[in-house]
Amino acid sequence: RKEVEQDPGPFNVPEGATVAFNCTYSNSASQSFFWYRQDCRKEPKLLMSVYSSGNEDGRFTAQLNRASQYISLLIRDSKLSDSATYLCVVNPFTGGGNKLTFGTGTQLKVEL
Amino acid sequence: EAGVVQSPRYKIIEKKQPVAFWCNPISGHNTLYWYLQNLGQGPELLIRYENEEAVDDSQLPKDRFSAERLKGVDSTLKIQPAELGDSAVYLCASSLGGSAQETQYFGPGTRLLVL
Repeated sequence: RKEVEQDPGPFNVPEGATVAFNCTYSNSASQSFFWYRQDCRKEPKLLMSVYSSGNEDGRFTAQLNRASQYISLLIRDSKLSDSATYLCVVNPFTGGGNKLTFGTGTQLKVEL
Repeated sequence: EAGVVQSPRYKIIEKKQPVAFWCNPISGHNTLYWYLQNLGQGPELLIRYENEEAVDDSQLPKDRFSAERLKGVDSTLKIQPAELGDSAVYLCASSLGGSAQETQYFGPGTRLLVL
């Protein structure tokens, strides 16, 4: 079983739609969680951290369920510019250091 | 502020040849990471440095890969000899170091093609 599992997609949605991505992780001791965004042929960039209480940044909402080892990302009112790959990232922070484990990514295509 | 700098951006070599990648992290970032990213996959950690010390190299194929971070600033990753399966994007990232919530900043990567 992969440490971080995501549906690779692609998710093709019309502009203005709401879309949700899910991710599961296997290491119950994981300490921090993130969503990174990666545009085609570019480097990953942090989109947002994910907290147990849930957090929102504009049109983006992230949720963490530690009991189910499940992370989600909700994008409301999708824009063409949201088209990218969204990487679910888990950090067990073992031995005092960071070791980000990335999922394979979920590809989103927002269309007119 | 300058981001993470990597060079070269692209490299094409024949198998069995050596190749080296260079990375300069964001100024003041103590932690440096090298990742490998295959097409359609997420980045996979190869090695993590805290200053000049390699603190996690468990995923580095040591028979052909080596890395160094002299003086705790810039770093080089070398492959010798390269194999066809090494074709991938090699990403360098850096962070301040020490916090589980800190952001890792990635460079643009080096795209390696082994023929």
